[in-house]
Amino acid sequence: DTGVSQNPRHKITKRGQNVTFRCDPISEHNRLYWYRQTLGQGPEFLTYFQNEAQLEKSRLLSDRFSAERPKGSFSTLEIQRTEQGDSAMYLCASILILAETNTGELFFGEGSRLTVL
Amino acid sequence: DQQVKQNSPSLSVQEGRISILNCDYTNSMFDYFLWYKKYPAEGPTFLISISSIKDKNEDGRFTVFLNKSAKHLSLHIVPSQPGDSAVYFCAACPANTGNQFYFGTGTSLTVIP
Repeated sequence: DTGVSQNPRHKITKRGQNVTFRCDPISEHNRLYWYRQTLGQGPEFLTYFQNEAQLEKSRLLSDRFSAERPKGSFSTLEIQRTEQGDSAMYLCASILILAETNTGELFFGEGSRLTVL
Repeated sequence: DQQVKQNSPSLSVQEGRISILNCDYTNSMFDYFLWYKKYPAEGPTFLISISSIKDKNEDGRFTVFLNKSAKHLSLHIVPSQPGDSAVYFCAACPANTGNQFYFGTGTSLTVIP
């Protein structure tokens, strides 16, 4: 399977605990995005990486959130001291940016659903 | 501030008929638009895209129309099939930066057999 892979698919945790999600993008893609989706909403941008560099972070990404992409391949999203409001689907997407258009299509993983009790 | 809007939360269509899903945007810097389909408990799946240099793009049963002056795009599905039942999201990005993709809130399509 050469799609975007995310794990775990589901995580249930107690408020105050830390959680970490992993994303393995499509190997030839040069950008990796993290989005969050709650019920009845579309995906909301959190952050993105160009290779290993984190180039942009949303205001939604509080200090409790940190994302890394240490070798420009897989990425992790860690949430510290989780709160009930963090309950959501966390989506990872990767994209091959085309030089001639400076854009392309996002390919999403199946998401990691977080439930904070 | 919702820059991409899908004002119809749901749509029901008979099998074989046309489904038309609408999307409006407010940012004139957007010039690349995409439609995604999402089944429950899965990530969104790319369907079709269009750049602002075109006003129509077709791929099989799916056609996207772009009206730049109205800042409006639509997705037509003809003929609709029960397997098309899903939530459809439109997305937009400013291609000169290609950084953020902004998504609408989705339209839930039900195709009735």
